[in-house]
Amino acid sequence: SYVLTQPPSVSVAPGETASITCGGNNIGSKTVLWYQQKPGQAPVLVIYYNSDRPSGIPERFSGSNSGNTATLTISRVEAGDEADYYCQVWDSYNDHYVFGTGTKVTVL
Amino acid sequence: QMTLKESGPTLVKPTQTLTLTCTFSGFSLTTSAVGVGWIRQPPGKALEWLALIYWDDDKRYSPFLKNRLAITKDTTKNQVVLTMTNMDPADTATYYCAHKGNLVPRGFDYWGQGTLVTVSS
Repeated sequence: SYVLTQPPSVSVAPGETASITCGGNNIGSKTVLWYQQKPGQAPVLVIYYNSDRPSGIPERFSGSNSGNTATLTISRVEAGDEADYYCQVWDSYNDHYVFGTGTKVTVL
Repeated sequence: QMTLKESGPTLVKPTQTLTLTCTFSGFSLTTSAVGVGWIRQPPGKALEWLALIYWDDDKRYSPFLKNRLAITKDTTKNQVVLTMTNMDPADTATYYCAHKGNLVPRGFDYWGQGTLVTVSS
């Protein structure tokens, strides 16, 4: 089964840039999505098609995907960005959806 | 505006069968390429995809839980039902349903608020 690995935590100062990685075997050949989940709330889609943003998501959120690593980048981090972030792909070989292990972003 | 809402028991006993209903509005499960999926999250843990049903009644299941899951739809009621057999305390989690559509074909763009299910005797 396909596995997506994320760092458990990332800490960043306000105004700085946070980078969250998502590692998977040849993930660059897949379409990656990213979700933001704040405590007690449902996940919210922030990136799809590797780098596209849904309506309403700030331009500060961007994504990239190549080789064995996909990355979510949050520029000019704000206190309100503090949340858990999950990557997700569709594993075409096994025909099922896979979520990453999740990364807790802490704004210092 | 698309909305989804999960409903079902908050407490089930070990070995029982869980039945959850997702009631949605703002889209139709008869539209090509549209689907509704179920995802769960144990307390303090990561998201886990469970199942998905497509507009044409095609179904997909997590390979880890396939033998315990069944997903059905009722397009007249705008509902999707997930059943999970032989519940165990390890199945304690918040269960979410979510919309899969044409604009985001490989993921979920709208989610319900989730419902916490506790498995305990």
